[in-house]
Amino acid sequence: GQSLEQPSEVTAVEGAIVQINCTYQTSGFYGLSWYQQHDGGAPTFLSYNGLDGLEETGRFSSFLSRSDSYGYLLLQELQMKDSASYFCAVRFTGGGNKLTFGTGTQLKVEL
Amino acid sequence: NAGVTQTPKFQVLKTGQSMTLQCAQDMNHNSMYWYRQDPGMGLRLIYYSASEGTTDKGEVPNGYNVSRLNKREFSLRLESAAPSQTSVYFCASSVLITTGVETQYFGPGTRLLVL
Repeated sequence: GQSLEQPSEVTAVEGAIVQINCTYQTSGFYGLSWYQQHDGGAPTFLSYNGLDGLEETGRFSSFLSRSDSYGYLLLQELQMKDSASYFCAVRFTGGGNKLTFGTGTQLKVEL
Repeated sequence: NAGVTQTPKFQVLKTGQSMTLQCAQDMNHNSMYWYRQDPGMGLRLIYYSASEGTTDKGEVPNGYNVSRLNKREFSLRLESAAPSQTSVYFCASSVLITTGVETQYFGPGTRLLVL
């Protein structure tokens, strides 16, 4: 089947670096996206990896390795406002024009 | 631009009642989507519309119907609400670039409680 797995919860301290992994089982997809969702809010787009390698956007970076069936979101210089849920998502080839979301990781940033 | 708007924000229904959730976007996007999110869970696709005039089932379509009224509007209807449909419903829209990059923009959500 086609699924995206993430750790359910990650805890880190303010100022630290945290990595949220996304592993998948699929025969093909166009790229890996990441979305952030604060409690009670709507998901918002963070980043996209169409090719293998690292994409950097400010404090956030995202990585994809198709050969390892794995990607991650890296958050640096953690701030309290980064406490949220993070979802990876892919658009599978042959799956029509729709995204499939991962199970989600709740990040808790502590003082 | 308002982005993606949804109405209502909150709704309480009794089992068996019907209702329509409204969604509109002003970004001229071709594709629109309806998701549900249960507490502590990810997003599950109910229905989507790749373009005006087309609709397709997602992962959890049972108990729902949709209408793509025009390019801007995509509504979700519950004909006979059940407690299992208690959830937060998100509408989203997107523009697809041929290289595969797609960003979905989400509305604020509708919180539905079915008693």
